[in-house]
Amino acid sequence: NAGVTQTPKFQVLKTGQSMTLQCAQDMNHNSMYWYRQDPGMGLRLIYYSASEGTTDKGEVPNGYNVSRLNKREFSLRLESAAPSQTSVYFCASRYTNRYSSVGQGKFFGPGTRLTVL
Amino acid sequence: SQQGEEDPQALSIQEGENATMNCSYKTSINNLQWYRQNSGRGLVHLILIRSNEREKHSGRLRVTLDTSKKSSSLLITASRAADTASYFCATVTISSGNTGKLIFGQGTTLQVKP
Repeated sequence: NAGVTQTPKFQVLKTGQSMTLQCAQDMNHNSMYWYRQDPGMGLRLIYYSASEGTTDKGEVPNGYNVSRLNKREFSLRLESAAPSQTSVYFCASRYTNRYSSVGQGKFFGPGTRLTVL
Repeated sequence: SQQGEEDPQALSIQEGENATMNCSYKTSINNLQWYRQNSGRGLVHLILIRSNEREKHSGRLRVTLDTSKKSSSLLITASRAADTASYFCATVTISSGNTGKLIFGQGTTLQVKP
């Protein structure tokens, strides 16, 4: 199993450009998440998808959109990039169902380092 | 605002010594998790402790939870150079239901010198 994969690994954008960060998992997890990590801070949740077909906002959703394309894939889109979106972006997933405990750890991807000039 | 605050922010020890990191949080939790992040890499889940548990072990890791003080500690015994990384606590609050939303602390950077 590849686990959680993210593309690209690195990206440089100019202010106002758009791009989509891709995330895929092959563990049959139904919940997927997008976080950003800034220097000196922990990860902050941008958006999440508790199950295929649903998406919800996290702590810092402004300036982002997401698409849960299918069970495996969850993409994050920046429509008009701003320097404040310079960050490292992590995708994560975990398995949930109505009977499972909330007590399950997440699997994280390797991250995408995004710089907006 | 961040749910978790970690202490210390940075820790440097010699190989073989024990490392202790602390985490405090603000609101009632369902569980608390610890993650490790090696430089330039994604996070790796280490251990999860539920709100009705007080202590949990996994290999050289020992986690305690004191819900009355809203705090947790992570102890790494007999540290190795390979333990050098940043360690994050993260909480799942009761209000988040089964969404799995994690709220992360700022992390403790551990350096283990050979």
